[in-house]
Amino acid sequence: AQSVTQPDIHITVSEGASLELRCNYSYGATPYLFWYVQSPGQGLQLLLKYFSGDTLVQGIKGFEAEFKRSQSSFNLRKPSVHWSDAAEYFCAVFTGGGNKLTFGTGTQLKVEL
Amino acid sequence: GAGVSQSPSNKVTEKGKDVELRCDPISGHTALYWYRQRLGQGLEFLIYFQGNSAPDKSGLPSDRFSAERTGESVSTLTIQRTQQEDSAVYLCASSLASRAGGGDTQYFGPGTRLTVL
Repeated sequence: AQSVTQPDIHITVSEGASLELRCNYSYGATPYLFWYVQSPGQGLQLLLKYFSGDTLVQGIKGFEAEFKRSQSSFNLRKPSVHWSDAAEYFCAVFTGGGNKLTFGTGTQLKVEL
Repeated sequence: GAGVSQSPSNKVTEKGKDVELRCDPISGHTALYWYRQRLGQGLEFLIYFQGNSAPDKSGLPSDRFSAERTGESVSTLTIQRTQQEDSAVYLCASSLASRAGGGDTQYFGPGTRLTVL
């Protein structure tokens, strides 16, 4: 069965520092990959997605992610973090059948001023 | 435009009671999903509706859980005889379901926080 692993439960970075959130998936073929962000009291908002083509995907709010098939990874990056980026980030994979998404357990990002 | 809305935003109930959670999808979205998010965990898929097709109920954890959807509009998730382990945030999402291979972007509502005492 497909699975998504986000190895970092909590990450703290200073404002202005770079950020990388890790995501690894388990699936036999090329999956469709997503990153969502959840701010307190808010629903999930899509940051970016990868279906095919260019393995470096640009998203909203200055985020990007790179699909690396050899590493089964889809890490999320941002060159300079803002205090408003503090939130929980979820990686998800769609692998066909039922159109449901399988989510990782999330990474809680804290930004120090 | 209007996003996915859910009601109530919070629900506190006593163990053994039934609860109904409501989801209003984005107008025109044919697909609707329910997920459960337990504290400190990722989202668990519960059920998926697509048009007039039979729903995918593969994620429902027990027969105490059921969901209905009227056409391509409102959906209700019902939990009967609630247990403390049902305490979670229940999230609804909708999508256009326009991609033949699936993987459409899902738009999420703010969720209903259910607390079972």
